[in-house]
Amino acid sequence: DQQVKQNSPSLSVQEGRISILNCDYTNSMFDYFLWYKKYPAEGPTFLISISSIKDKNEDGRFTVFLNKSAKHLSLHIVPSQPGDSAVYFCAASGNYGGSQGNLIFGKGTKLSVKP
Amino acid sequence: GAVVSQHPSRVICKSGTSVKIECRSLDFQATTMFWYRQFPKKSLMLMATSNEGSKATYEQGVEKDKFLINHASLTLSTLTVTSAHPEDSSFYICSALRTYQHFGDGTRLSIL
Repeated sequence: DQQVKQNSPSLSVQEGRISILNCDYTNSMFDYFLWYKKYPAEGPTFLISISSIKDKNEDGRFTVFLNKSAKHLSLHIVPSQPGDSAVYFCAASGNYGGSQGNLIFGKGTKLSVKP
Repeated sequence: GAVVSQHPSRVICKSGTSVKIECRSLDFQATTMFWYRQFPKKSLMLMATSNEGSKATYEQGVEKDKFLINHASLTLSTLTVTSAHPEDSSFYICSALRTYQHFGDGTRLSIL
C-alpha cells in the first residue's frame, strides 16, 4: 500500500503560467516532506522541503504548501519555465532514522512546460 | 556542492554473476548513505541504510546475504548484488546524507 501518492503521472503547462503538483500521504507520523526534481539519465536533485510544523515554505519560484489535516502537500512553480520540465517526486520522512532518514517516495509527476 | 557519484551507470551480465556498485560523495563526508531500488512503474524503495564503520540496516524483505553493503569510509559505500538473477534486474540508486539526501545518477542492472 502506497504511503505517498502522486495521482497525476503527468502535467502540461504553458510557459509563464503556474504549475501545481500534488501529493497525498497516508501516514500521520511523517514529519518532513521533500520535493525532488529529476531529469532523464540523472538522479533526483533536491528542490525544496517543509517540516510538519509549517504550512508553507517558499524558495524563489517554488513554494510548497502543507495541509496536515488533509494529509496533502503541493508544489507551486510560478512562473513556469521550459527548463522546469522534469519528473517531480514527492517524498516523506518519519522520525526514525532522523528527520531526513528513510524517505518514502511517490511515483512522480512528469511536468512539461511548453514555450 | 554535495555531489554524489555512482558507478557504473549500466551493467549487463549473466545470471550468477556478482555485481558491485559504488557510491561516492565527492565533496563532503557522508556518515550515512542509502541504497534504493526502483522497479518499472514503481516508486523508489529503500533497500538499506549504510552507516560508516558499522553494519547496514536492511529494510524488511531485503536479503542481507544477497545485497552486501560496505561503507568502509566516509566517502564510499558499495552495494554488491551476489549471484544475481534476472529478477534482480532493476534500477539501483544511492544517496548520501548531508542536511538532506543527495542522489547519485543510478545504475541500471540487467541480468540475462
